[in-house]
Amino acid sequence: DVKVTQSSRYLVKRTGEKVFLECVQDMDHENMFWYRQDPGLGLRLIYFSYDVKMKEKGDIPEGYSVSREKKERFSLILESASTNQTSMYLCATDTGYTFGSGTRLTVV
Amino acid sequence: DAKTTQPPSMDCAEGRAANLPCNHSTISGNEYVYWYRQIHSQGPQYIIHGLKNNETNEMASLIITEDRKSSTLILPHATLRDTAVYYCIVRVEWIYNQGGKLIFGQGTELSVKP
Repeated sequence: DVKVTQSSRYLVKRTGEKVFLECVQDMDHENMFWYRQDPGLGLRLIYFSYDVKMKEKGDIPEGYSVSREKKERFSLILESASTNQTSMYLCATDTGYTFGSGTRLTVV
Repeated sequence: DAKTTQPPSMDCAEGRAANLPCNHSTISGNEYVYWYRQIHSQGPQYIIHGLKNNETNEMASLIITEDRKSSTLILPHATLRDTAVYYCIVRVEWIYNQGGKLIFGQGTELSVKP
């Protein structure tokens, strides 16, 4: 089974901090995705990557950037965290879309 | 992008079959129907998917109508651990045709009761 590991389950950061969310997959999947999930809004796609060093914006990329230096790792970066980025962040990979357990980020 | 419509909530008695409906009337010919579930505070879990034929795996069965405008996920013998939010999703082909963006709606909150 594909395993998708997100580095933290819970994270608390201060407004203005630079935040890194890490996602690692243990299969050779080309596509990786970052979503955020908010009550009443469902899951929304932030960014995705279809290959190393390649990235595409999703529906809500503002305030975020991503990095894919190795095939197995896809990082989501909040350049300057704000309170409206408090959310559950979910990483997923291709082929059946295996999801990680999620990172619940709180920005105070 | 095709949208899906699901009832916001359903109850089911433990041991009985849970039938979760989904409408996707604007689905295109090459779009698949995927089902996921999400247990509180966890990431979504893939259940099953199909194009036009009915599908079955160890978790569930998927029944797709002949016109493909709706589908039903069947959990044959629901247990308390099946209590979760169930999402019906139509897979959109991405521009590079490598995987596709998933558009999640609000899902159905299934409560399995003893």
